[in-house]
Amino acid sequence: EVQLVESGGGLVQPGRSLRLSCTASGFTFDDYAMHWVRQGPGKGLEWVSGISWNSGRKAYADSARGRFTISRDNAKNSLYLQMDSLRGGDTAFYYCVKSGGPGMAARPDFWGPGTLVTVSS
Amino acid sequence: DIQMTQSPSTLSASVGDRVTITCRASQNTDSGLAWYQQKPGKAPKLLIYKASTLESGVPPRFSGSGSGTEFTLTINSLQPDDFATYYCQLYNNYSLWTFGQGTKVEIK
Repeated sequence: EVQLVESGGGLVQPGRSLRLSCTASGFTFDDYAMHWVRQGPGKGLEWVSGISWNSGRKAYADSARGRFTISRDNAKNSLYLQMDSLRGGDTAFYYCVKSGGPGMAARPDFWGPGTLVTVSS
Repeated sequence: DIQMTQSPSTLSASVGDRVTITCRASQNTDSGLAWYQQKPGKAPKLLIYKASTLESGVPPRFSGSGSGTEFTLTINSLQPDDFATYYCQLYNNYSLWTFGQGTKVEIK
């Protein structure tokens, strides 16, 4: 059974950093690209960042580029999102999402339950 | 970047109704298109991918169609469990993942 479990969310002050983790199980992690998608309170879904199966390609939304860094450790079946210089607009549920293939253009096919990040003083 | 415009933003319907939600892309693209259902406090659930392929386990009253710039999600005979928010998503190698703004299906 595919499982994705996000962790690392919480309350953080503006300008500070936070690192999200996503631990995967139930599938061969290094066969698939992975993504982060967020959803602000009462808002729609926003793609944040994606990484190919071997970390050879990484991409970011304009809102994340330069502040967020995506990475993965295939030996640990884990995906990460390092978030720096956090702002109030980054407050959201952050979802870890599995792709249906190794490249980032592959369709999404499984979402974790999400972790809440609240940026506030 | 390609933009996705989803309509309507809210839809009031009754059990048994047939409902249609539309997503329009800002430019013609050879992309994949997915549809999701989301309920409050839950992660989105994949319903359809490649515009018309039903995800395993999804009831056949859900169907998708379209290509190019216009895509449609249809729910035949709306059930009580279907009242939720629905999102379309474009996925391709150029603009990667782009979501529509969402359509809330409410009880009339």
